[in-house]
Amino acid sequence: DTEVTQTPKHLVMGMTNKKSLKCEQHMGHRAMYWYKQKAKKPPELMFVYSYEKLSINESVPSRFSPECPNSSLLNLHLHALQPEDSALYLCASSQQGHSSSYEQYFGPGTRLTVT
Amino acid sequence: DQQVKQNSPSLSVQEGRISILNCDYTNSMFDYFLWYKKYPAEGPTFLISISSIKDKNEDGRFTVFLNKSAKHLSLHIVPSQPGDSAVYFCAASNAGNNRKLIWGLGTSLAVNP
Repeated sequence: DTEVTQTPKHLVMGMTNKKSLKCEQHMGHRAMYWYKQKAKKPPELMFVYSYEKLSINESVPSRFSPECPNSSLLNLHLHALQPEDSALYLCASSQQGHSSSYEQYFGPGTRLTVT
Repeated sequence: DQQVKQNSPSLSVQEGRISILNCDYTNSMFDYFLWYKKYPAEGPTFLISISSIKDKNEDGRFTVFLNKSAKHLSLHIVPSQPGDSAVYFCAASNAGNNRKLIWGLGTSLAVNP
C-alpha cells in the first residue's frame, strides 16, 4: 500500500480565515513533507518532518504553520493567506534511516484558492 | 541555477512506439534519481528510480538508463499508451542535502492514438 490521503480535496478561503489541511499515511514512513505546486511547475518543498520533528523549513512565511501530531499524521495550518498562496498543496512521505530507497509518495493534493 | 534539467518541454509520440524522456544534471554528488508522472490537478505518482551504482533499472514498460560520465538519464516507455499522456518530472537527491528532491521542470508527453 503506497497511499497518502489528503483532506479536503478543495478549499476556498478568505484572507482572514483560519483553516487546516490534513494528511495521513499508514506505510510506516517516518519522513513527511509539505509541498506547494503551481501550474506547469515542479513541486516546491515547504517543510520536512523526520521522526515527528521539523527538520527542514524552506523559509516559508509564518502564515503557514505545520504540525505533526504523530508518525502517521501531518497538518498544515493556514492563517491570513494571500491570493498568491493559491496553489495545489501536496503531502508526501518516505522511509527514513538506513533505507536504500528514497522515493517520496505523494497524496492527491488539496487545491487551495484564496479570495 | 537549475541542477536538474529537462530540456524538452514537450514530446509527442504515436501509440505503440517508444517514448524517450531525457534528463541532465550538473551536481556529481547526486546518487539517486527518480521519475514521477503527473496528471493535472493530481499529486505526482512515483514511477521508477535508479541508484548511481547502477546504469539501468526496468519495471514493466518503464526503463531508466543512467550515464554517470555524461550526467544524463533517460526514461524509456515501451510501448507507449494514450494513458501515458502526462507531465513527467525527473528528480535527484543525495545524502548531503538531507535527501531533498531536486526537480527538473518537467516534460509534457502526448501519446496519440
